[in-house]
Amino acid sequence: TQLLEQSPQFLSIQEGENLTVYCNSSSVFSSLQWYRQEPGEGPVLLVTVVTGGEVKKLKRLTFQFGDARKDSSLHITAAQPGDTGLYLCAGAVKGGTSYGKLTFGQGTILTVHP
Amino acid sequence: EAQVTQNPRYLITVTGKKLTVTCSQNMNHEYMSWYRQDPGLGLRQIYYSMNVEVTDKGDVPEGYKVSRKEKRNFPLILESPSPNQTSLYFCASSFYLGNIQYFGAGTRLSVL
Repeated sequence: TQLLEQSPQFLSIQEGENLTVYCNSSSVFSSLQWYRQEPGEGPVLLVTVVTGGEVKKLKRLTFQFGDARKDSSLHITAAQPGDTGLYLCAGAVKGGTSYGKLTFGQGTILTVHP
Repeated sequence: EAQVTQNPRYLITVTGKKLTVTCSQNMNHEYMSWYRQDPGLGLRQIYYSMNVEVTDKGDVPEGYKVSRKEKRNFPLILESPSPNQTSLYFCASSFYLGNIQYFGAGTRLSVL
């Protein structure tokens, strides 16, 4: 079973601060996705990274996939109250006996105070 | 409008009474999946399907069944629900594994 350890579990910061959320595993993933979920709704995809070392930017959000494709990070610059939500990472395996599985981290609850 | 539709949104039932949560997508996606979400545990995959008539166990399949007779539908069946299956359930679909995954609005299930 692949495990994704996401940290921190909770993050409470002031508007304008920077933050980083980490997603780590001992397993290699074919791709890794980051989602954001708001209360009462399903998760919404933010980004997919597939290449080791890949960096993707989405406005103030920067996503990085580790060289070995075992870890990833989400960095938010100058956080705003609208960034508040649950952030989830999810890794996909495309080979072996776990082909087709999608494993999620435990999630990071981010609260940005005005 | 492209969407994943789950029904019902809310369900309260009693231990042992069989129930089905339906999931339907209108995007011709091949990959469909069921998750349960519990506080502090993130989303855990119950079952997934790579295509019609192809289903596989996720990380927490015990107590659940699924079927994929048509591409658009992927119902989740609880033959004999128990209180530990009280949770928030999500169905999701994508063109293929690793592609953008669209989630339904969720089904909140309480088993008494």
